[in-house]
Amino acid sequence: DTGVSQDPRHKITKRGQNVTFRCDPISEHNRLYWYRQTLGQGPEFLTYFQNEAQLEKSRLLSDRFSAERPKGSFSTLEIQRTEQGDSAMYLCASIRRYNEQFFGPGTRLTVL
Amino acid sequence: GIQVEQSPPDLILQEGANSTLRCNFSDSVNNLQWFHQNPWGQLINLFYIPSGTKQNGRLSATTVATERYSLLYISSSQTTDSGVYFCAVDGGNTPLVFGKGTRLSVIA
Repeated sequence: DTGVSQDPRHKITKRGQNVTFRCDPISEHNRLYWYRQTLGQGPEFLTYFQNEAQLEKSRLLSDRFSAERPKGSFSTLEIQRTEQGDSAMYLCASIRRYNEQFFGPGTRLTVL
Repeated sequence: GIQVEQSPPDLILQEGANSTLRCNFSDSVNNLQWFHQNPWGQLINLFYIPSGTKQNGRLSATTVATERYSLLYISSSQTTDSGVYFCAVDGGNTPLVFGKGTRLSVIA
């Protein structure tokens, strides 16, 4: 257990529906990353928060994706109008000093 | 951006055998981490090793930053070592860039 939790662990949805995932990082860590992992690949960066500020977004993050981190604690990632290509594992990482990253168990999204 | 290559892509071992996994990267890095991804998808931290050598039980890792590679050694492999091993690097407080991983299968 890395101390990072994610909810839900699995989500099955129909194309066109909206979904929201939650990440609770390690409490003393003020930096957080979201990544996406598809089958057979390593995780790829989506977006980065320092406290409540979203400082960086990947070009992978289309307009249908939005992320928040209110009060610099937990973070949410929402996907609107889901597409089958959004099916993937969504991972959250909590950051210690020197950018050492600790990952949550992930949310596996399946879009039918 | 930084490129990360891992080899071999797949490895099958008999229980008790030793193995070496390699990670090459294309530029100088501030951070290098090795992870083990278990069958349920959890990424487990193995080593934070931007340079030097570290050991943890049957696992050890060496990073030669000047030559831009890192090695992960697994000795006396067990079936529970099966899974995908990822190397990930960053150039300095940037997102981690992952390789494609080495898929290890340890057979009893």
